[in-house]
Amino acid sequence: RKEVEQDPGPFNVPEGATVAFNCTYSNSASQSFFWYRQDCRKEPKLLMSVYSSGNEDGRFTAQLNRASQYISLLIRDSKLSDSATYLCVVHPGAGGTSYGKLTFGQGTILTVHP
Amino acid sequence: SQTIHQWPATLVQPVGSPLSLECTVEGTSNPNLYWYRQAAGRGLQLLFYSVGIGQISSEVPQNLSASRPQDRQFILSSKKLLLSDSGFYLCAWRAGQGYEKLFFGSGTQLSVL
Repeated sequence: RKEVEQDPGPFNVPEGATVAFNCTYSNSASQSFFWYRQDCRKEPKLLMSVYSSGNEDGRFTAQLNRASQYISLLIRDSKLSDSATYLCVVHPGAGGTSYGKLTFGQGTILTVHP
Repeated sequence: SQTIHQWPATLVQPVGSPLSLECTVEGTSNPNLYWYRQAAGRGLQLLFYSVGIGQISSEVPQNLSASRPQDRQFILSSKKLLLSDSGFYLCAWRAGQGYEKLFFGSGTQLSVL
């Protein structure tokens, strides 16, 4: 089983649609979770952290389910500019030899069309 | 504010040629530094990380090497490139232990022909 798994998509949705991505992780001791966004041939950029209580940033909502070991990202009212690859990222935990060894999922491709 | 610079943006090299990619961070001291590679259609693979000058840890065996000659400089090298070294190389930094967020440079698209 991969450490971090995502549905690669692609997800093709019309403008204004609501779309959700899920991501599962295998290490139950994982401490921190993030969603990054990556545009074609560009570097990944931090979209949002994911907190245990769930968190929202404008049209984006992130959820964490520790019992089932998955995180999700919900995008409401999709815009053309949301088209990108969304990367699920997991940090194993603080201390020891973790040294920021974030584990990246392969990414989910989203295309928003007019 | 902190910034990270990575160059060149694109590079085409013949098989067997050497490689040197450079990354520098500004606006912070003693950052943790990382080199990642992303093959076409694949996820990010951690290649090297460094917690201080001269301290390099390798994550995967390969014909690449890394060096950190100065606090905010990280260099990825190879003596002889292979076809399989093609990919998108990303340098990244974080503030240190306890700060999990990574910030990436703009990347180098390397094509080995």
